[in-house]
Amino acid sequence: RKEVEQDPGPFNVPEGATVAFNCTYSNSASQSFFWYRQDCRKEPKLLMSVYSSGNEDGRFTAQLNRASQYISLLIRDSKLSDSATYLCVVTTADNAGNNRKLIWGLGTSLGVNP
Amino acid sequence: DTGVSQDPRHKITKRGQNVTFRCDPISEHNRLYWYRQTLGQGPEFLTYFQNEAQLEKSRLLSDRFSAERPKGSFSTLEIQRTEQGDSAMYLCASSPRTGSSYNEQFFGPGTRLTVL
Repeated sequence: RKEVEQDPGPFNVPEGATVAFNCTYSNSASQSFFWYRQDCRKEPKLLMSVYSSGNEDGRFTAQLNRASQYISLLIRDSKLSDSATYLCVVTTADNAGNNRKLIWGLGTSLGVNP
Repeated sequence: DTGVSQDPRHKITKRGQNVTFRCDPISEHNRLYWYRQTLGQGPEFLTYFQNEAQLEKSRLLSDRFSAERPKGSFSTLEIQRTEQGDSAMYLCASSPRTGSSYNEQFFGPGTRLTVL
């Protein structure tokens, strides 16, 4: 079983749609959780971190359920510019409390169509 | 531009040749990471440094791969006797000083390696 698993995708939605991505992780010791966005042939860029209380940034909402080891990302009113691959990422901490390596899901491709 | 930089951006080489990539992290970031990404996959961790110390290496990093960060600033990743399976995007990331509460990793543009 992969350490981080995501919906296989691809997701193709019309502009204005709401789309949800799901992710599960296997290591209960994971401490930090993120969603990254990666455009074709570009480097990954942090979209948002994910907190237990849930967090929102404009049209994007991230949720974390530690008990179920489940992370989600909701995109409302999707735009053409949201077309990208969305990667779920978890990390554990070292003894000093600093993030160690990032463990990545395979990513879910999103295409937003006019 | 004060972001993470990588050089070269693209490298085409013949099987069996050695290649070396360079990464310059954001200044004052003391952690530096190397990842490898192939098409349709998420990045895979290779190794990371805290200052000049290499703290962890993935089992993916065979003995043909070596990484250094001699002065705790830039880093190099060398692949000896390249194989076609080494073709991938090699990503470098850096993160701020230890002790910060967040430790976001900032990525460079990557070096795309093609082994013929």
